[in-house]
Amino acid sequence: SQTIHQWPATLVQPVGSPLSLECTVEGTSNPNLYWYRQAAGRGLQLLFYSVGIGQISSEVPQNLSASRPQDRQFILSSKKLLLSDSGFYLCAWSVISETPSSYNSPLHFGNGTRLTVT
Amino acid sequence: AQSVTQLGSHVSVSEGALVLLRCNYSSSVPPYLFWYVQYPNQGLQLLLKYTTGATLVKGINGFEAEFKKSETSFHLTKPSAHMSDAAEYFCAVSGRYSSASKIIFGSGTRLSIRP
Repeated sequence: SQTIHQWPATLVQPVGSPLSLECTVEGTSNPNLYWYRQAAGRGLQLLFYSVGIGQISSEVPQNLSASRPQDRQFILSSKKLLLSDSGFYLCAWSVISETPSSYNSPLHFGNGTRLTVT
Repeated sequence: AQSVTQLGSHVSVSEGALVLLRCNYSSSVPPYLFWYVQYPNQGLQLLLKYTTGATLVKGINGFEAEFKKSETSFHLTKPSAHMSDAAEYFCAVSGRYSSASKIIFGSGTRLSIRP
């Protein structure tokens, strides 16, 4: 069965410090990978998605970047954190396919990282 | 383009009462619709999804949702609430001709259950 691991679970970082959040998926090959941010009282905002190694699409301009160095590894980074980067960050994966039948493939989420920038 | 509106950021019901969480969508193409549940400090878990065919969709934990094209709605219901149903619920939509990267989520509804 497929599993998704995300760490750390919680993180407190000072403004201006770097960030690295890691996500790995097991039990599936060549998945779509996603980073979402969830702010209090607001829905999920898609930050990045990836359809393959080294292929990253950014949905919103921001202080963050993402990388996919391996097929099942997705990393969210920042060189200098801002207060506004605080939130709950969720990694997710879905089945990848070029056929329309894949467009209803659900997202499978990790347990999230709660980031507090102080 | 797609969008999702969840009416009511917080819903409170008594244990054993009917649960009704409202979701309206906007889509320029036939939609795929999803409901996800999120327990505290956890990721989201798929409850159910509508793709094609039967408009009444049954999901896990006794939840179901009905796709009503004329009302552009996909409300989530459960006949009898249980304390373990307390969580946040998200409605989501994607277009039938777009990739999973274009799944749009609503802002969520927090469900509380009164003993």
